[in-house]
Amino acid sequence: DAKTTQPPSMDCAEGRAANLPCNHSTISGNEYVYWYRQIHSQGPQYIIHGLKNNETNEMASLIITEDRKSSTLILPHATLRDTAVYYCIVRGVSGAGSYQLTFGKGTKLSVIP
Amino acid sequence: EAGVVQSPRYKIIEKKQPVAFWCNPISGHNTLYWYLQNLGQGPELLIRYENEEAVDDSQLPKDRFSAERLKGVDSTLKIQPAELGDSAVYLCASSPRQGPYNEQFFGPGTRLTVL
Repeated sequence: DAKTTQPPSMDCAEGRAANLPCNHSTISGNEYVYWYRQIHSQGPQYIIHGLKNNETNEMASLIITEDRKSSTLILPHATLRDTAVYYCIVRGVSGAGSYQLTFGKGTKLSVIP
Repeated sequence: EAGVVQSPRYKIIEKKQPVAFWCNPISGHNTLYWYLQNLGQGPELLIRYENEEAVDDSQLPKDRFSAERLKGVDSTLKIQPAELGDSAVYLCASSPRQGPYNEQFFGPGTRLTVL
């Protein structure tokens, strides 16, 4: 799987948009970008995934650059409950690695009142 | 719908003792995963089951770790004997089927402390 690079930590004011960047410059054409988050003392939780088009769901939006070498997860109105570690993961679509999630260290997002 | 259930949530043992963790996946989920998470790190896959078959155990330290999923539903992960370095959170996850589109649903984990 391609490696990802994320900042170790970020702060965001409550009610503002949180924009979490991820670099995945070695991503291949058939690999998806996944985002999970892990709130303290809980297991990771799926947020969103995409291939090359921007995606939006009830939790977040995912913006993938045209060259697919980077992406941004957007939480439009961050709340205190969004404080968590956010993981950006690149995942293949076929073969033995298609099931596997390879977690890095993620970005620790702190939402500040 | 109930999520992934793990027990115990916390376990403290002395080194060289055995320990076991139990996981009940979401009903109907054929794929089950065990992950290890060290402090400050992301989870690392230990083993993956498809029904009752361990299809990937390449990351499982087989000298002291073992796992089973006898009826293809719940699963147990065992460490015998435990070492100080095994202190970590052990996470179980499940997904409905193989493939890249299926999210994995994680349990809350078991925090193991080895003294």
